[in-house]
Amino acid sequence: NAGVTQTPKFRVLKTGQSMTLLCAQDMNHEYMYWYRQDPGMGLRLIHYSVGEGTTAKGEVPDGYNVSRLKKQNFLLGLESAAPSQTSVYFCASSYPRLGTTYEQYFGPGTRLTVT
Amino acid sequence: AQSVSQHNHHVILSEAASLELGCNYSYGGTVNLFWYVQYPGQHLQLLLKYFSGDPLVKGIKGFEAEFIKSKFSFNLRKPSVQWSDTAEYFCAVNANPGPPSKLVFGAGTILRVKS
Repeated sequence: NAGVTQTPKFRVLKTGQSMTLLCAQDMNHEYMYWYRQDPGMGLRLIHYSVGEGTTAKGEVPDGYNVSRLKKQNFLLGLESAAPSQTSVYFCASSYPRLGTTYEQYFGPGTRLTVT
Repeated sequence: AQSVSQHNHHVILSEAASLELGCNYSYGGTVNLFWYVQYPGQHLQLLLKYFSGDPLVKGIKGFEAEFIKSKFSFNLRKPSVQWSDTAEYFCAVNANPGPPSKLVFGAGTILRVKS
């Protein structure tokens, strides 16, 4: 049981390039999330998904797109990278069982630098 | 908008000192509260959570937190820190308990424990 995994771990992009970050979870969780972590700002929600084929915007969605074609995968895309998107990206997942605190389980992160 | 405030961005303690990290949130309704820890080079892990019931919750590694509803606070405590507690600590609030559990994070507190 690997939990939540992210690919790649590190990436350097030039301004204007595109890339896709992959998140995978093997816990059969319904909900998945993408966050970015910036110094002094904590984690901010970019997009999330409540199930296969569904996505929704979070707090800071501009410049990003997502897709959830399979329940276990959640992809985050940058179509035209900008230096402001230099950050550490975390994926998380949770399950919707009633009576729980909907704890989120996090992946190891992807460090992205846009030059 | 909901917000989470962590009062200290950097804390330096000697081993065996007591720890208290402050967390205040702005939402007045029912909340779920979390403390996550991020050890150097690792992903976020859940330390403890509050869902309902006893406002004093105990987590892993000797940490505890007290929910004081009247003060909108959820402070993290540990009576005696160890060098291995060096990490960044994040308070998070789910202001609409239930799916999809969108968390709002504080900016984080970096704790350094001197041996």
